[in-house]
Amino acid sequence: GAVVSQHPSWVICKSGTSVKIECRSLDFQATTMFWYRQFPKQSLMLMATSNEGSKATYEQGVEKDKFLINHASLTLSTLTVTSAHPEDSSFYICSASRGHSTYEQYFGPGTRLTVT
Amino acid sequence: GQQLNQSPQSMFIQEGEDVSMNCTSSSIFNTWLWYKQDPGEGPVLLIALYKAGELTSNGRLTAQFGITRKDSFLNISASIPSDVGIYFCAGQPDPNTGNQFYFGTGTSLTVIP
Repeated sequence: GAVVSQHPSWVICKSGTSVKIECRSLDFQATTMFWYRQFPKQSLMLMATSNEGSKATYEQGVEKDKFLINHASLTLSTLTVTSAHPEDSSFYICSASRGHSTYEQYFGPGTRLTVT
Repeated sequence: GQQLNQSPQSMFIQEGEDVSMNCTSSSIFNTWLWYKQDPGEGPVLLIALYKAGELTSNGRLTAQFGITRKDSFLNISASIPSDVGIYFCAGQPDPNTGNQFYFGTGTSLTVIP
């Protein structure tokens, strides 16, 4: 159990366009989902925390208008990178937490975004 | 956000050797997790620790939650080639303020057959 999927696994887009990444918990209900970005050979940097049905909480320095997060159901969260620029190119990874009684996070396989 | 310091940054060891790595923070954490990440994939949870002083094993892996609550350790015994990857610690400051975790800087492990 505790499988998380992401779609797409990789995407190439042109500068100025928007890209949507989906994160799904396949075999459990995720009350909380997290979005991270990771640059090559670096650690995961938390971007935002999203709880189902409420607005996401963004980490300091993350532009909420640029990285739109929607957590519409207990199994789906989406991250939309709006007006993407080359510096947004990165590996985006989501994770999901089962509930309030456990703090373990299960990660998706990641999405490689390249903005040309 | 907060960041945790891991050491060593990288390790090159012979197959069969034991491995030790640690993670430190300037602030107290209530939960520690250890993950392994292969290139181009998401991290996979290895061990979760919830109490100061707790020692937990998962096969050849053993992790400890430091008494000061500012550090954690991961040991791998009798390393094998498939242990290759990047190991991350993750700490949660206070579950009452949200259940987000912050990740360590990572330890890259190379096992030489």
